[in-house]
Amino acid sequence: GAVVSQHPSWVICKSGTSVKIECRSLDFQATTMFWYRQFPKQSLMLMATSNEGSKATYEQGVEKDKFLINHASLTLSTLTVTSAHPEDSSFYICSARSGTSGRIEQYFGPGTRLTVT
Amino acid sequence: QKEVEQDPGPLSVPEGAIVSLNCTYSNSAFQYFMWYRQYSRKGPELLMYTYSSGNKEDGRFTAQVDKSSKYISLFIRDSQPSDSATYLCAMSGTSYGKLTFGQGTILTVHP
Repeated sequence: GAVVSQHPSWVICKSGTSVKIECRSLDFQATTMFWYRQFPKQSLMLMATSNEGSKATYEQGVEKDKFLINHASLTLSTLTVTSAHPEDSSFYICSARSGTSGRIEQYFGPGTRLTVT
Repeated sequence: QKEVEQDPGPLSVPEGAIVSLNCTYSNSAFQYFMWYRQYSRKGPELLMYTYSSGNKEDGRFTAQVDKSSKYISLFIRDSQPSDSATYLCAMSGTSYGKLTFGQGTILTVHP
């Protein structure tokens, strides 16, 4: 149980275009989903927290208009990188937390590698 | 000073060795402690989850939390080459809060 998928697993796009990444919880309902960014050999940096049906809460320094997050259902959240630039190239990972009361564990997706040329 | 400190290693051990991985933290509000394993180019996988102080064992893995010292550990017994990965500690102050991660320790277990 507790499987989270991400699509696509990797994507290459040209500078100035937008890219959408999907995160799905396959066998549980995720009231909260998180989006992280990870640079090579570095830890996960939380970008934003999204609750189903609510606006996402962004971490300090993360541009809301650049990284659009939508959590429209209990099993799906999307991250759209708008007007991507080479410095946005990174490994983006989502995680999901079950709505079960008291459960704190986050289950991670396999990640999406974005390369902006 | 980072809230969570973790030695990035790399740590290289022979197969069968006991591995000790550690994190220290500065925020006394942290009560929930987790260890994740991350293989290269994959998402992190939850290994162990501990609430407050104490020990927890699961197979070859033992997690220890010492809140008085703000120090947590993960022990891996009879280490295997398949244990080679990056190990991340993570912690939170509440059951619904965000996780704060350590930098991760790169572990290699050689045959």
